[in-house]
Amino acid sequence: QVHLEQSGAEIHKPGASLKVSCKASGYTFIKYYIHWVRQAPGQGLEWLGIIKPGDGSATYTQKLQGRLTMTRDTSTTTVYMELSSLRSEDTAIYYCARRQYEGGHYYFDYWGQGTLVTVSS
Amino acid sequence: SSELTQPPSVSVSPGQTARITCSGDTLPDEYASWYQQKAGQVPTVIIYRDDQKPAGVPERFSGSSSGTTATLTITGVQAEDEADYYCQSADSSSTYLFFGGGTRLTVL
Repeated sequence: QVHLEQSGAEIHKPGASLKVSCKASGYTFIKYYIHWVRQAPGQGLEWLGIIKPGDGSATYTQKLQGRLTMTRDTSTTTVYMELSSLRSEDTAIYYCARRQYEGGHYYFDYWGQGTLVTVSS
Repeated sequence: SSELTQPPSVSVSPGQTARITCSGDTLPDEYASWYQQKAGQVPTVIIYRDDQKPAGVPERFSGSSSGTTATLTITGVQAEDEADYYCQSADSSSTYLFFGGGTRLTVL
């Protein structure tokens, strides 16, 4: 069965960097794009970006351009999301999600359990 | 930037019908999906491609779309449906995805 297992909660100081992992299992890793989404406390869902596991190419939300990097390791079927120059407003639960395609439409069919990231001095 | 607009909250009594709307300029050209997020849980897709339901989603959930508005309808709301609901769509390249601000459904 499809499963996305994320790394554990992290606490960082402002200005530091974070790296969250998302290990995929139960399907052919390179066949499905992975997205990252975050949710600040009490807030809605915010799309961050997408990575194509096949070649590692990624696209990011303009809001985080320059601070956000997504990578993958095909040998371990794991994708990574790295966010630098952390600010307090980056405090959120970060989710990875698998992109599914149906008849001209993309949506998220499986989600990781989420990783709580706290940025505080 | 692309935006999807949802009402912040909807309240209904058990057994009534709840309708949650999602408005956006891209919706005439792009499909919408809906996600349910119960308190402390991960979002799960309940509607995709405007009106399709994944296996296991109860019959009382349905989706539709017309013009710039997509609608999630819950017919015969149950207490367990109390949750936040998010619509989601994409830009014309289908690379950038985005969410509505979310609607909190309260079952009175």
